[in-house]
Amino acid sequence: DTGVSQDPRHKITKRGQNVTFRCDPISEHNRLYWYRQTLGQGPEFLTYFQNEAQLEKSRLLSDRFSAERPKGSFSTLEIQRTEQGDSAMYLCASSNEQGLTEAFFGQGTRLTVV
Amino acid sequence: ILNVEQSPQSLHVQEGDSTNFTCSFPSSNFYALHWYRWETAKSPEALFVMTLNGDEKKKGRISATLNTKEGYSYLYIKGSQPEDSATYLCAFRGYGQNFVFGPGTRLSVLP
Repeated sequence: DTGVSQDPRHKITKRGQNVTFRCDPISEHNRLYWYRQTLGQGPEFLTYFQNEAQLEKSRLLSDRFSAERPKGSFSTLEIQRTEQGDSAMYLCASSNEQGLTEAFFGQGTRLTVV
Repeated sequence: ILNVEQSPQSLHVQEGDSTNFTCSFPSSNFYALHWYRWETAKSPEALFVMTLNGDEKKKGRISATLNTKEGYSYLYIKGSQPEDSATYLCAFRGYGQNFVFGPGTRLSVLP
């Protein structure tokens, strides 16, 4: 296992189009997080899963955003009808809820909406 | 809404200088404080997980201290090197809560 991987690394899309990102966490990790980072800001929490259950969603996650983790392994984040304000780095992280483990991050998907 | 702040926002130092930054977080419901280093085009890398008031952790030239009663943590880098150039993020965790990240401190070490 080489860590958390995200695909694609970069995505350029036209406003109004739908996009989907994928995250493959570290295999034994049961928690998976999605964050968004815009220029000059730290990562902002979007949502997290414990196994296949989506346990928390941020108010930042409008109804155009949906995330799934159907088998408790990989996760997808879909943005419908993209807007220019959606341009950001989307980071995925995973952790094992056994004690005080840190979250391990993927390299992120950079979305540019033109 | 939990507020995690970091200062300064950015910092430029000369190679060999020592430097430090601050992370401020809520002093109630504390569970853990994490420090990450995020280099350009790479994933954020975990540096420290700190849990106890008065904790001090060290990894090479980098060390961190924790004061949970007043809600701050310091990260120190001794003898900065160009490869230390990165954004340093802190993340606060309260009991039963997820990571809340600060905005980061961007460090540039000039050769």
